[in-house]
Amino acid sequence: EAGVVQSPRYKIIEKKQPVAFWCNPISGHNTLYWYLQNLGQGPELLIRYENEEAVDDSQLPKDRFSAERLKGVDSTLKIQPAELGDSAVYLCASSDRGALTDTQYFGPGTRLTVL
Amino acid sequence: RKEVEQDPGPFNVPEGATVAFNCTYSNSASQSFFWYRQDCRKEPKLLMSVYSSGNEDGRFTAQLNRASQYISLLIRDSKLSDSATYLCVVSADTGRRALTFGSGTRLQVQP
Repeated sequence: EAGVVQSPRYKIIEKKQPVAFWCNPISGHNTLYWYLQNLGQGPELLIRYENEEAVDDSQLPKDRFSAERLKGVDSTLKIQPAELGDSAVYLCASSDRGALTDTQYFGPGTRLTVL
Repeated sequence: RKEVEQDPGPFNVPEGATVAFNCTYSNSASQSFFWYRQDCRKEPKLLMSVYSSGNEDGRFTAQLNRASQYISLLIRDSKLSDSATYLCVVSADTGRRALTFGSGTRLQVQP
């Protein structure tokens, strides 16, 4: 079974430029998460989707960050404009709400560098 | 104060050693507890859930003390392949969907 797919794996941009990350969850997983991980820290939740509905976006900096999950499958996370402090790894995860354990499976992440 | 606190390490141990990691959490309403493993420049992966009665999976033993809000992970007979960062994770969500991660403890097993 294919895991969570993310692209791109690496992205280097200049500050004030826009950037977008894409995530394809494990097939059949209705819950999708976007996390941010800074160096030496654990992942921090940005937004959680149940199907196409954003049910927890309290930690998403809405002035510059946006996300969507059209049709309840793939998701895109966008930053516009990017700032130096946005350099981090952006992780996508998915889980099956109906499963017994509801384990979150992470994708490989997108490593963003803002210059 | 962080919600989940861990000793960052690194813990440098020889192969075959027993090593223990500790973690404390501040939210007394936390319902679910986990240890995740993260290899360098890789994604986190679930190592094991932690149950009130304690649980074991091969060389790994996890313990939970709700009264002290303390979680531990014991690794016996360390292998070189155990070298990684171990993340302590808690959830106050009964659906176990809102996870709060600690900063991780780095383990380096040496030959």
